[in-house]
Amino acid sequence: TQLLEQSPQFLSIQEGENLTVYCNSSSVFSSLQWYRQEPGEGPVLLVTVVTGGEVKKLKRLTFQFGDARKDSSLHITAAQPGDTGLYLCAKEANAGKSTFGDGTTLTVKP
Amino acid sequence: DAGVTQSPTHLIKTRGQHVTLRCSPISGHKSVSWYQQVLGQGPQFIFQYYEKEERGRGNFPDRFSARQFPNYSSELNVNALLLGDSALYLCASSLASNTEAFFGQGTRLTVV
Repeated sequence: TQLLEQSPQFLSIQEGENLTVYCNSSSVFSSLQWYRQEPGEGPVLLVTVVTGGEVKKLKRLTFQFGDARKDSSLHITAAQPGDTGLYLCAKEANAGKSTFGDGTTLTVKP
Repeated sequence: DAGVTQSPTHLIKTRGQHVTLRCSPISGHKSVSWYQQVLGQGPQFIFQYYEKEERGRGNFPDRFSARQFPNYSSELNVNALLLGDSALYLCASSLASNTEAFFGQGTRLTVV
């Protein structure tokens, strides 16, 4: 049973466009993490959100945690080819026991 | 500083064989976790070890086992390999069992 649903599954856009990907669950998160994974590599942590309604920014990336702590979004402004990768959200029991969604595969074309 | 290192990077095995995958955590990290990532899916938790003791186990059959050594490195063993065991096996290390985890590049296992 997949506890985290990510959408869309695939997204292909042109360089310079904006995009938003989503992570949803029927249960409340104590915390939620976003990772980016490039082909042949392990996931790299981008951000952890903890408080309902929290917004965090990392350069062109904006992460939002829903007020009810059941959903989150990742918005990328002016996407670049270097943003290409698999974006994963994860719900954390503790750092070693994360439950991951199946991810959004993003392709940014030059 | 070296990150999490895994070996081998790629491996091809035949059905029914046994495989051992290895992971060296970041220096000073005492917790190691193993994940299986099948193509097109997110990582699935297999095991967590902290201070050489198993702290968690995911929903995997008994063919999967692991251990952690005194130097905090770890091995993941899989017996009686099935075609469905083909996946990227990821190791993650953290300072403690409840701190941020850092992933290695994974071992790509192909079972034929």
